[in-house]
Amino acid sequence: GAGVSQSPSNKVTEKGKDVELRCDPISGHTALYWYRQSLGQGLEFLIYFQGNSAPDKSGLPSDRFSAERTGGSVSTLTIQRTQQEDSAVYLCASSLGAGDMYEQYFGPGTRLTVT
Amino acid sequence: RKEVEQDPGPFNVPEGATVAFNCTYSNSASQSFFWYRQDCRKEPKLLMSVYSSGNEDGRFTAQLNRASQYISLLIRDSKLSDSATYLCVVIVRGYSTLTFGKGTMLLVSP
Repeated sequence: GAGVSQSPSNKVTEKGKDVELRCDPISGHTALYWYRQSLGQGLEFLIYFQGNSAPDKSGLPSDRFSAERTGGSVSTLTIQRTQQEDSAVYLCASSLGAGDMYEQYFGPGTRLTVT
Repeated sequence: RKEVEQDPGPFNVPEGATVAFNCTYSNSASQSFFWYRQDCRKEPKLLMSVYSSGNEDGRFTAQLNRASQYISLLIRDSKLSDSATYLCVVIVRGYSTLTFGKGTMLLVSP
């Protein structure tokens, strides 16, 4: 079946502009995660959605970052007033449920470059 | 101190060699452990879970030492296709999110 998809695959934006990154999880997966991977920092958790529960936003680096998940499916990560340090690969993952017994499947990522 | 630490490598080995990667974690509440593999410019994929009793999957063996907060991955009879970055990953008790090490790069040469 179809895996996690993300769009766009690449995004170049000017400093100060807003960007929206999209994630389509695997159908039927209730948990959705956003991570980012930057040079020197490795993979870092950003935000996590599980069903209808309030999202875990504890990994968001600043209030310029926000995310929503509509209808329990598609998610959008928004970065306002982008900065050069936001340049990274943004990865979305989904799992059938919450908890360590459920494997997280990653999408191909969106490579964001802020100039 | 980073929560999950790995030797970044790269490890350069010839085909057929045995190579071992180590990982340490600092949060004693970590309860689930994994090795992920990430190919260049690709997304991470689960390689194997790590159990307290140690587990094996073909040429790959993973071990966990909770007392020392240490995880290892052993690859026997390395193949060219094993070239990738290997990520040590933990989940802390009560959470679902993954905490990643920075990864160890493996390069297997003919």
